[in-house]
Amino acid sequence: GENVEQHPSTLSVQEGDSAVIKCTYSDSASNYFPWYKQELGKRPQLIIDIRSNVGEKKDQRIAVTLNKTAKHFSLHITETQPEDSAVYFCAASGRSGGATNKLIFGTGTLLAVQP
Amino acid sequence: SQTIHQWPATLVQPVGSPLSLECTVEGTSNPNLYWYRQAAGRGLQLLFYSVGIGQISSEVPQNLSASRPQDRQFILSSKKLLLSDSGFYLCAWSGTGGYQPQHFGDGTRLSIL
Repeated sequence: GENVEQHPSTLSVQEGDSAVIKCTYSDSASNYFPWYKQELGKRPQLIIDIRSNVGEKKDQRIAVTLNKTAKHFSLHITETQPEDSAVYFCAASGRSGGATNKLIFGTGTLLAVQP
Repeated sequence: SQTIHQWPATLVQPVGSPLSLECTVEGTSNPNLYWYRQAAGRGLQLLFYSVGIGQISSEVPQNLSASRPQDRQFILSSKKLLLSDSGFYLCAWSGTGGYQPQHFGDGTRLSIL
């Protein structure tokens, strides 16, 4: 079935360092890949997304790269700050695609930025 | 702009009691709607989704049900809660068509005693 694997499950970095989170997906028909940030006790919030016709997208300190051939995509955070500490979820569009906009979520990465 | 409201924010219920969680969306028409459950420290489990009034698809067999009586209203219900129903329940909406992100409500933290 449809599956998204996310690594690592936990990541600790020093403030100012970069953080990279990687996801792989199983369905070659997936064409939309959003990333969400969830702070403790709060709702997941969309931070960046990428479509399958684009290889890379950047928004200030956050960037996402997509390799459709290998079916993996990554989130890159540069110059990390303590407020970046949260759980990050990747997602891929499901097989039913645009009709439902269902997303298959990864299992999450707990990012801790040490001051 | 679009907003999503979810209530209550927290709920403590005894085992065997009924449940009704409500979610409404403002500022858009005919959204896709979703209910997720998140156990402590875990990922997002899709429970139900709806592409229109009265249209409900279930992802996981369980003792919960969902209904969409109006275009922008989505309700999660149970006749008899189980201990395993405890968790953080999130409602989300998306636009129709492809490449649409989902936008989440603030969630309901449900504790079953």
